[in-house]
Amino acid sequence: GENVEQHPSTLSVQEGDSAVIKCTYSDSASNYFPWYKQELGKGPQLIIDIRSNVGEKKDQRIAVTLNKTAKHFSLHITETQPEDSAVYFCAASQDFGNEKLTFGTGTRLTIIP
Amino acid sequence: NAGVTQTPKFRILKIGQSMTLQCTQDMNHNYMYWYRQDPGMGLKLIYYSVGAGITDKGEVPNGYNVSRSTTEDFPLRLELAAPSQTSVYFCASSYTGYNEQFFGPGTRLTVL
Repeated sequence: GENVEQHPSTLSVQEGDSAVIKCTYSDSASNYFPWYKQELGKGPQLIIDIRSNVGEKKDQRIAVTLNKTAKHFSLHITETQPEDSAVYFCAASQDFGNEKLTFGTGTRLTIIP
Repeated sequence: NAGVTQTPKFRILKIGQSMTLQCTQDMNHNYMYWYRQDPGMGLKLIYYSVGAGITDKGEVPNGYNVSRSTTEDFPLRLELAAPSQTSVYFCASSYTGYNEQFFGPGTRLTVL
């Protein structure tokens, strides 16, 4: 089955700096890659996703890049703010749908004021 | 819309007891999912449903059962609880398999 590895497990950045979280996947058939943000005591919330027919996607301060050859994808957050502090999860799916997502182990991002 | 609601929020079970985790969504979503999240780990899919009367196993289904008699409800049943089932359980829903999954707030279960 699919295996998703996520790094780093913890990340601290100064407010205003950029944060990058990286994930690798094992199954070349995977073609859907969402990123979720989980705040303390809450369920995960989708923040951005990318499909295999696109190499990069951007939404305001958040961007995701995908390298299908190397089988890795990354989340980029620019101009970080205190409210960006949370746990971020990447995931991958072998279908264009998302009923069988395989999640990474998460990155705890802390923004230092 | 309340979105996805889960009850209870917390529960402590003794080994061998049974319980049902409730999940309800009011968004008329066809797809519903149950995940478990262990400390320091990502979410793992237990079961999912693509519509009323249709369920399928996920990655870690052993020790659990589900049913989907209505579009709104997707209860998760634990039979003969074991310490290995100590976890946080999340229910989610999506309109189709191609749409965003919306998550509930979770149920923290401890089996002692």
